Amino acid sequence: SQKIEQNSEALNIQEGKTATLTCNYTNYSPAYLQWYRQDPGRGPVFLLLIRENEKEKRKERLKVTFDTTLKQSLFHITASQPADSATYLCALHSGGYNKLIFGAGTRLAVHP
Amino acid sequence: DAGVIQSPRHEVTEMGQEVTLRCKPISGHDYLFWYRQTMMRGLELLIYFNNNVPIDDSGMPEDRFSAKMPNASFSTLKIQPSEPRDSAVYFCASRLADTQYFGPGTRLTVL
Repeated sequence: SQKIEQNSEALNIQEGKTATLTCNYTNYSPAYLQWYRQDPGRGPVFLLLIRENEKEKRKERLKVTFDTTLKQSLFHITASQPADSATYLCALHSGGYNKLIFGAGTRLAVHP
Repeated sequence: DAGVIQSPRHEVTEMGQEVTLRCKPISGHDYLFWYRQTMMRGLELLIYFNNNVPIDDSGMPEDRFSAKMPNASFSTLKIQPSEPRDSAVYFCASRLADTQYFGPGTRLTVL
């Protein structure tokens, strides 16, 4: 069956360190993958999109990698700040379908 | 643009009552999605529309749920009759190109 897995436990890191979040999937062949940020009481907010033919994408302090062989995406936040504390969701889009399937999300807490 | 607008933001109702959730997508976006989010099941796609036409409603849990999009600027999700297990946060999202823009959600509590 199709499955998307993100670390269910919260990730706690110190301010200034790099946070790395993982998204693994099985039985999908996504044309692209997206990462969203969700704060309590709010809707998810789009951060980055990476396509199947791209290995890496960057935006300011954010970096996403996509390994279609390992069926894994890594999401990095460098020089993390307490304001980066939120839940981060990965979402897969399968070719031919116009919908996203979301992972359960990983909660990140950045401590001063 | 004001972003995706949802109303009401909070709804508390009793079991058996009809509930109608409303969404105004971002102008010019041609796709609209309805999601439900719970702690147990995460963010689930219920139904989506393209140019006001329902394309995939396979995520709608039961016949008690229905959705309409009478025009490009308005959509409703209706639950009739509501049950306690329908309690969740319901999000509407609209899409331009490959990016979805979510509304603030409606927190529904069915007593």
